Amino acid sequence: KQEVTQIPAALSVPEGENLVLNCSFTDSAIYNLQWFRQDPGKGLTSLLLIQSSQREQTSGRLNASLDKSSGRSTLYIAASQPGDSATYLCAAWMDSSYKLIFGSGTRLLVRP
Amino acid sequence: DAGVIQSPRHEVTEMGQEVTLRCKPISGHDYLFWYRQTMMRGLELLIYFNNNVPIDDSGMPEDRFSAKMPNASFSTLKIQPSEPRDSAVYFCASSLLGVSGELFFGEGSRLTVL
Repeated sequence: KQEVTQIPAALSVPEGENLVLNCSFTDSAIYNLQWFRQDPGKGLTSLLLIQSSQREQTSGRLNASLDKSSGRSTLYIAASQPGDSATYLCAAWMDSSYKLIFGSGTRLLVRP
Repeated sequence: DAGVIQSPRHEVTEMGQEVTLRCKPISGHDYLFWYRQTMMRGLELLIYFNNNVPIDDSGMPEDRFSAKMPNASFSTLKIQPSEPRDSAVYFCASSLLGVSGELFFGEGSRLTVL
């Protein structure tokens, strides 16, 4: 069964701290991996999309990396702010099933 | 662009009633996806369309669920008859490039079946 796993499930950090969110996937044959942010009661907002041929993508304080061989992706958030508090989900588009499979998310709280 | 638009945002209904959820994808996007989100199971793909044609409906839980896309700017997800276990948030998403493109989500339709 194809799975996407996110660790930790929840994270609480003080403002200003740099942090890393982890995502692992069981099938290394992926088309791409996408990171999303979800605020309570809202839809998902796309943050970064990494194609299978890429190693990383950057947007502002966010940097996402992809290592297909180890089945891992990380989302690095620099100088975290209270406004970064949300649930972060990763999703991998699996080659074999042609489906986008989501992880269960990491709930982030940045304390002022 | 206004983004992916879903309606209704909230729906409360009684068991056995028919529920219809609606979605307008971003103009020009050829792919449309329906997802369901629950605390227990997270985000699950129900069905997706390419150029209005259903490509994969293997995630549709039962025959009570059906989805249509009569044109490029409109899709419906129907549940008939509804059951309490169908209570969830249903998301519609669209993509320009399908597998290689970004997915854009609507705000979701929160369904409660009593």
